[in-house]
Amino acid sequence: GAGVSQSPRYKVAKRGQDVALRCDPISGHVSLFWYQQALGQGPEFLTYFQNEAQLDKSGLPSDRFFAERPEGSVSTLKIQRTQQEDSAVYLCASSLGQRLGYEQYFGPGTRLTVT
Amino acid sequence: AQSVTQLGSHVSVSEGALVLLRCNYSSSVPPYLFWYVQYPNQGLQLLLKYTSAATLVKGINGFEAEFKKSETSFHLTKPSAHMSDAAEYFCAVSDGAAGNKLTFGGGTRVLVKP
Repeated sequence: GAGVSQSPRYKVAKRGQDVALRCDPISGHVSLFWYQQALGQGPEFLTYFQNEAQLDKSGLPSDRFFAERPEGSVSTLKIQRTQQEDSAVYLCASSLGQRLGYEQYFGPGTRLTVT
Repeated sequence: AQSVTQLGSHVSVSEGALVLLRCNYSSSVPPYLFWYVQYPNQGLQLLLKYTSAATLVKGINGFEAEFKKSETSFHLTKPSAHMSDAAEYFCAVSDGAAGNKLTFGGGTRVLVKP
């Protein structure tokens, strides 16, 4: 079956614009994660959903970041009033559930450039 | 809190030589440990994982890693490098928090010389 898909793959935004990044997880995967990967660094956790419930958003860097997964499938990460420091690759991952050791499957990411 | 340190942001190896990527972790509970590979403009692909079974873990593409609790290490090795191994490698740890969120190291970029 299809893997995790993300759209758009590339996004250029002017500073102050709002952006929305979409993630389509693997069908049937309960858990969904968003990570932020700055240039030359490892991914950093942003937020976690179990079905439609957002159980952890401790990694969101500011209140300009908002994520949702209203029907427990597709998720959207929204960034309001983008700043240059928001430039990064945003990775989405999904897994079967929350049992320790379940593999997370990653999408190709959305590269956001804020000018 | 947990953390991961990868020694060496860049590693250069000759084709056919041993690949050794170092990873040290800290975790307040018995960890699960992972190695991922990332090719340019692609997402992360799981190479292998340690989940408290055998301490020597074999993964895809000929890679393996050994969990050493006394050294808090999980180093990745491959006996003979291939040109296709050129990529960035990330070590990650999970302790079960937040649905098993991953904490990643900074990554090691591997260059393979012919």
